Amino acid sequence: AQSVSQHNHHVILSEAASLELGCNYSYGGTVNLFWYVQYPGQHLQLLLKYFSGDPLVKGIKGFEAEFIKSKFSFNLRKPSVQWSDTAEYFCAVKGGGFKTIFGAGTRLFVKA
Amino acid sequence: DVKVTQSSRYLVKRTGEKVFLECVQDMDHENMFWYRQDPGLGLRLIYFSYDVKMKEKGDIPEGYSVSREKKERFSLILESASTNQTSMYLCASSPILAGEYDEQYFGPGTRLTVT
Repeated sequence: AQSVSQHNHHVILSEAASLELGCNYSYGGTVNLFWYVQYPGQHLQLLLKYFSGDPLVKGIKGFEAEFIKSKFSFNLRKPSVQWSDTAEYFCAVKGGGFKTIFGAGTRLFVKA
Repeated sequence: DVKVTQSSRYLVKRTGEKVFLECVQDMDHENMFWYRQDPGLGLRLIYFSYDVKMKEKGDIPEGYSVSREKKERFSLILESASTNQTSMYLCASSPILAGEYDEQYFGPGTRLTVT
């Protein structure tokens, strides 16, 4: 069965610090990979996605993620976080079929 | 912009009541989903629909049913609400195209409390 593991449940950073959120998945076939973000009081929305090609994917608001197939990983990065990045971040994987499997989420708090 | 709307942001119901959660999307998407979101558990799929009157069970369908009579509308029904169904319920839609178009669009959520 597919599964998604996010390494950190809570992360606290100061503004301008670098961010890396870990995500590992288990699925043997071709996958589409996603990071979604939920800002306080807002809808869950897509941050970035990988479906093929360049394994380094750039998303909105300066976020990027790297797909490393050999490690079954899709870690999210941002070189310098801002207070407005405070949110909950979800990694998600879609293999064969209709289901997208979501990780448990990582709550990021950025101190101003 | 894709809009997915849900009928209520907050709902309080009593144990044993029948509860209807409505979701409407305006982008002519074929796929629609119902999830529940619980702290530390992420999003878990309750039901999925890929066409009118078509449905597939997700990971946690017990105690729920769904209805899709029109393409734009997907309803979640709690036949007899229980306290362990207190949660945030998220509706989402996506186009049937995969690959680079594969993305789910979410509604604002309904926070349901069953007392």
